[in-house]
Amino acid sequence: RKEVEQDPGPFNVPEGATVAFNCTYSNSASQSFFWYRQDCRKEPKLLMSVYSSGNEDGRFTAQLNRASQYISLLIRDSKLSDSATYLCVVPFSGGYNKLIFGAGTRLAVHP
Amino acid sequence: NAGVTQTPKFQVLKTGQSMTLQCAQDMNHEYMSWYRQDPGMGLRLIHYSVGAGITDQGEVPNGYNVSRSTTEDFPLRLLSAAPSQTSVYFCASRTGENIQYFGAGTRLSVL
Repeated sequence: RKEVEQDPGPFNVPEGATVAFNCTYSNSASQSFFWYRQDCRKEPKLLMSVYSSGNEDGRFTAQLNRASQYISLLIRDSKLSDSATYLCVVPFSGGYNKLIFGAGTRLAVHP
Repeated sequence: NAGVTQTPKFQVLKTGQSMTLQCAQDMNHEYMSWYRQDPGMGLRLIHYSVGAGITDQGEVPNGYNVSRSTTEDFPLRLLSAAPSQTSVYFCASRTGENIQYFGAGTRLSVL
C-alpha cells in the first residue's frame, strides 16, 4: 500500500455542486496535514492546512479522521475556477520530517 | 516578493548532456528540496537540504547532484541526462511548520 493515496478522478461536477475528496495515509502521527492546489502546468500552492479540529476557509472545509487515517476536502458551491488538481500532503516522522505528496485528484467544474 | 525562483522554465537536452537547474529563495528558509513530477506518480523527492552545507538524498536521487553553499541557493545538477529524466522539476523551500513554497517548475525533455 502506498503511504498516501488519492482517487485520481476526474471528478466532473456542475457549477454550484458540492464535491468531496478523500486522501488515505498510513503511519503518520503528525498533528497537521495539508491540501495543495495545482493548476494545469503550474506549481502546487497551499490551499489549506488540516488540523485535528478540522479547518474551514470560505467554501472549503478540510477534516482529519485519525482513527481511519484519512483527510478530506469538501468544496461547496463549486466555481469554474475551482477546476484544478488537489494534492494532499502528509508529514511523516524522521530526521527530515518527510512530506509525502499524494498523486492528486483532478476536479473539473463545468457550466 | 519573489519567493522561490527557478530557471530555466524549459529545457531540451540530448542523452548524455549535463546541465544545472537553478533555484533561489529569498524567504530565509533552512529547508529546501527538489522534486520531480511525472503523470500519475505525484511529486517525488530527489534531494533535500536542511541548511547551508547539508544535503541528503531523497526517494529518487540517482543521476542527480546537489549542493547548498548558501541559504538562498540550491542548484540541481543532471550529470549525464537520460530519457528517463524527462519530467517536470520543482524546487521548494519550506517553513518550520512544513508549509512548502514551490518554484514555477522546469519542464525538461531528454531526447
